Amino acid sequence: TQLLEQSPQFLSIQEGENLTVYCNSSSVFSSLQWYRQEPGEGPVLLVTVVTGGEVKKLKRLTFQFGDARKDSSLHITAAQPGDTGLYLCAGVPGFKTIFGAGTRLFVKA
Amino acid sequence: ETGVTQTPRHLVMGMTNKKSLKCEQHLGHNAMYWYKQSAKKPLELMFVYSLEERVENNSVPSRFSPECPNSSHLFLHLHTLQPEDSALYLCASSPISSGYYNEQFFGPGTRLTVL
Repeated sequence: TQLLEQSPQFLSIQEGENLTVYCNSSSVFSSLQWYRQEPGEGPVLLVTVVTGGEVKKLKRLTFQFGDARKDSSLHITAAQPGDTGLYLCAGVPGFKTIFGAGTRLFVKA
Repeated sequence: ETGVTQTPRHLVMGMTNKKSLKCEQHLGHNAMYWYKQSAKKPLELMFVYSLEERVENNSVPSRFSPECPNSSHLFLHLHTLQPEDSALYLCASSPISSGYYNEQFFGPGTRLTVL
C-alpha cells in the first residue's frame, strides 16, 4: 500500500519566519504534486515535480523532489498570513492519486 | 474560481433521507472524481469516471451511488447514510491527456452533516 506521510501535522508561526514541510513515502512515485487548501474551499494545485532532485520555485515557495523520488519538501520564505492553509502532497501517476493527510499552517500577523 | 462548481455547498440530512450532490466542470476535461475528506485523514478517492465510464470504485458502500450523464456533470446520490459519513465531499476533474501528471482541479466541496 502506497502511503504519503506529511510532517509536521500542524505548524503555527509568526509572519516573516521561514518554514519547511515534508512529504515522505517508502514508495517511488513517477511524479508528485503539492496542493494548498484554504478553509471552505477545495485544494488548488501549486506545482508538479517529476524528475528526481528537481527544484521548482513559485515566488516565495520552493519545492524539491527527492533524488530517489520517494519524498518531497516545501520551503516557504518570509511567510505571510495569506500562506495560511492546509498543504497537501499527492503522489501520481494514473487515476489513483494518493494524498497525504496534510500540514495545516497558520501564519500570525 | 477553478472552473469546477459544486452544489449544494452545505447539506444537513437525516439518516432516512435521499439527497444528491451535483458537480459541474467548465474546463473541457474528460475525467471526473469524487473524494471524501474527513478531519485529519488523507483524501479518500471514492469514484473515478473517464469518458463517462466508471473506471474506479474504491469499495465505497452502496449507500453512495455516482452518476455521470456526460463529461461535464457528475452526481453523487445519497441514501440511508450514517453519521460517520459526515465529511467534506470534493469533486475534481482532469484532462485524460495529462495522464502521467493527473493534475486535478477541485470544486469547493459540499459539507455534509448526517444527523
